[in-house]
Amino acid sequence: SQLAEENLWALSVHEGESVTVNCSYKTSITALQWYRQKSGEGPAQLILIRSNEREKRNGRLRATLDTSSQSSSLSITATRCEDTAVYFCARPFGSFNKLTFGAGTRLAVCP
Amino acid sequence: EAAVTQSPRSKVAVTGGKVTLSCHQTNNHDYMYWYRQDTGHGLRLIHYSYVADSTEKGDIPDGYKASRPSQENFSLILELASLSQTAVYFCASKDRGATEVFFGKGTRLTVV
Repeated sequence: SQLAEENLWALSVHEGESVTVNCSYKTSITALQWYRQKSGEGPAQLILIRSNEREKRNGRLRATLDTSSQSSSLSITATRCEDTAVYFCARPFGSFNKLTFGAGTRLAVCP
Repeated sequence: EAAVTQSPRSKVAVTGGKVTLSCHQTNNHDYMYWYRQDTGHGLRLIHYSYVADSTEKGDIPDGYKASRPSQENFSLILELASLSQTAVYFCASKDRGATEVFFGKGTRLTVV
């Protein structure tokens, strides 16, 4: 199965700034999920955006989906130190919500 | 908040030895999964289960077996551990009708 791929391996921003993580995929999707993984923890789902949705918000998080370009983005506004993590996009496939993950983008907010 | 507990949290195993990783969930979820994460990479699906006493192969099942003796418990078994199986292993669960997948904190396995 094709992987969803984040476009940048690492990002660094100052606290309070906004940041966007991008993801591209190569096959048709029914939905795309964004996950955050903090050091020493398992991934935690942030947003699920379905193929018929263009935008989804969750507090300071905003996900977009462009099925024509097969790309998605996750934006975080007013970043905080606790946003430091690895962010993954993941594509559900088949039955039982199996997931294909991208390689992840490492975001550093605080030194 | 869904709870998925993995044990042990870390383990060092000898090449050729048998390793069993355990996972327990307390939320009555139907679906359970085992994923593997290599340093700097995303997670890859090893095995999954949608009902007790049944397991299915994921994307990378070779060298692994799974067991789901009850709805709450799901084990990953490495009969003959190899160096290439050094990784962090995550268990996850999901309710049948829901979209959110809940992950455990992971087990760091080092095969020497």
